[in-house]
Amino acid sequence: ETGVTQTPRHLVMGMTNKKSLKCEQHLGHNAMYWYKQSAKKPLELMFVYNFKEQTENNSVPSRFSPECPNSSHLFLHLHTLQPEDSALYLCASSRDRDIGGYTFGSGTRLTVV
Amino acid sequence: EDQVTQSPEALRLQEGESSSLNCSYTVSGLRGLFWYRQDPGKGPEFLFTLYSAGEEKEKERLKATLTKKESFLHITAPKPEDSATYLCAVQVVNAGGTSYGKLTFGQGTILTVHP
Repeated sequence: ETGVTQTPRHLVMGMTNKKSLKCEQHLGHNAMYWYKQSAKKPLELMFVYNFKEQTENNSVPSRFSPECPNSSHLFLHLHTLQPEDSALYLCASSRDRDIGGYTFGSGTRLTVV
Repeated sequence: EDQVTQSPEALRLQEGESSSLNCSYTVSGLRGLFWYRQDPGKGPEFLFTLYSAGEEKEKERLKATLTKKESFLHITAPKPEDSATYLCAVQVVNAGGTSYGKLTFGQGTILTVHP
């Protein structure tokens, strides 16, 4: 166990569904991140939260909605997704934004049908 | 625009055959360069952080080095269990010396070590 737990591990959803991805970290870190990993492409930053406040939205479509109720939990709410949104969604945490040694979770493999 | 390019895209080695992976970067201001290992179906696992040119870090059969333009991950006498995708990433600082948590990743090098 890496200290960053993501659920579910796999998710299949239709384009009209609403679902949520969950991330929890037990490391006492203050910064949390969502990254998207698509086949043949580098990891793409989606959102950054620092001390529960969103500090970066990397031009992500509004069909992805993040929520950070506290420094240990991070959610990604999904609605009306497209097939091209199918990817591995990775959560990561770090002590703070200036420390780049992220700890990643194992990811949620999302398939949009 | 900050860019990270890794080469080769894929590398096949025989067990015991040493080699190096390359990570070239173009950034406005480097705070740190990071190496991660990713196994299939898992999230990236942190290996090394390098902060300044000339710095070197070692862990078992891996050694990471940094210059002002690139980083190398040297693998000495690899074993089949070293097979994975190796990712390089950079963290950039702005003119005020602040970074915003963003890591810019390369596409990775898929390493396969045959017994």
